[in-house]
Amino acid sequence: DAGVIQSPRHEVTEMGQEVTLRCKPISGHNSLFWYRQTMMRGLELLIYFNNNVPIDDSGMPEDRFSAKMPNASFSTLKIQPSEPRDSAVYFCASSPSPFPGELFFGEGSRLTVL
Amino acid sequence: AQSVTQLDSHVSVSEGTPVLLRCNYSSSYSPSLFWYVQHPNKGLQLLLKYTSAATLVKGINGFEAEFKKSETSFHLTKPSAHMSDAAEYFCVVSPLSNTGKLIFGQGTTLQVKP
Repeated sequence: DAGVIQSPRHEVTEMGQEVTLRCKPISGHNSLFWYRQTMMRGLELLIYFNNNVPIDDSGMPEDRFSAKMPNASFSTLKIQPSEPRDSAVYFCASSPSPFPGELFFGEGSRLTVL
Repeated sequence: AQSVTQLDSHVSVSEGTPVLLRCNYSSSYSPSLFWYVQHPNKGLQLLLKYTSAATLVKGINGFEAEFKKSETSFHLTKPSAHMSDAAEYFCVVSPLSNTGKLIFGQGTTLQVKP
């Protein structure tokens, strides 16, 4: 049974470049979450979707960040332009029910912006 | 406002000895509480959850936690530590409002010495 699949697992890019992170949630899960993890700030919720609709994006740091969920099996998180302070591990998680459901996490995308 | 505090940032035990990871929460209602585990370079995985049923909750890998309303605590325990238990552990509270914004503690790193 496939879990949440994230790509790429590692990304190294230069400041100013566009970064796109991808997520495939578990089939049948109707909630999807994007988190960012850093040593300084811990785990931060960036945005979450329910039935492909963004419900709360108040955690998105600024306009450089955007997220989409065009269908139930795919989501992207885009950073344009990227900055060194965006370096972090980005996790996607899905849940079969919104609240307070169990979250199933992917293995994360480690982003390094030089 | 809801919050969660993990009282120890780092816990070190010897293999075969008991594990205690402490978590206090602040909430004006009876919350849902979770413990998640994160092994190095992996995503988070649910260990156990409390959702107003039995106050003693059993999880995977021999872990359990007890909800104590009078002490606003939800400590995680295991009778005998195994080397594979070395990981980061997160106590999580789910807010009453259906916002999907789980509140994560800062994490406790568990070190298991041979």
